[in-house]
Amino acid sequence: AQSVTQPDIHITVSEGASLELRCNYSYGATPYLFWYVQSPGQGLQLLLKYFSGDTLVQGIKGFEAEFKRSQSSFNLRKPSVHWSDAAEYFCAALYNQGGKLIFGQGTELSVKP
Amino acid sequence: DTEVTQTPKHLVMGMTNKKSLKCEQHMGHRAMYWYKQKAKKPPELMFVYSYEKLSINESVPSRFSPECPNSSLLNLHLHALQPEDSALYLCASSQMDSSNQPQHFGDGTRLSIL
Repeated sequence: AQSVTQPDIHITVSEGASLELRCNYSYGATPYLFWYVQSPGQGLQLLLKYFSGDTLVQGIKGFEAEFKRSQSSFNLRKPSVHWSDAAEYFCAALYNQGGKLIFGQGTELSVKP
Repeated sequence: DTEVTQTPKHLVMGMTNKKSLKCEQHMGHRAMYWYKQKAKKPPELMFVYSYEKLSINESVPSRFSPECPNSSLLNLHLHALQPEDSALYLCASSQMDSSNQPQHFGDGTRLSIL
């Protein structure tokens, strides 16, 4: 069955430090890939998406992600984290099964001053 | 600002009540979705509507009844809910259900069952 894995449940980084959140999708046909962010009490906001082409995709709020087919990974990065980036981050994959998004378990990001 | 609007933002109801959640989008999207999200968990898909027809029901109990009156509106009717149904209910929409277009989410309705 298709699946998405986010190995890190919780990550803490210092403000201004770089960030990388890991995401792996199950081996097989390459799905469409997304990263969403969810702040407390809010819905999910789309950060970026990958469909094909350039493997480095740019998103909103200074985030980028790199698709690596050989590693079945789609890691999210940011060069300098701001306190407002503290939130829950979800990686998701769409395998074209009627719109059913497969979500990872999420990574909670804490930012310390 | 989210382009998918959900009302109400909060809802408290007893187990014998009947209530409805509402979702609206004006982006011309033809696929709409209901998700349930428990704390510290990813959203779980409940229903998918494609061109106003129910295309996916993820074995959701019949106490949840979806309705899609038109391409912009999606309702979720609630009846005889259980305490374990307390959760954040998210609505989403996308251009189509099998395209490469992302789903856009509303801010959700926080539902509490007494």
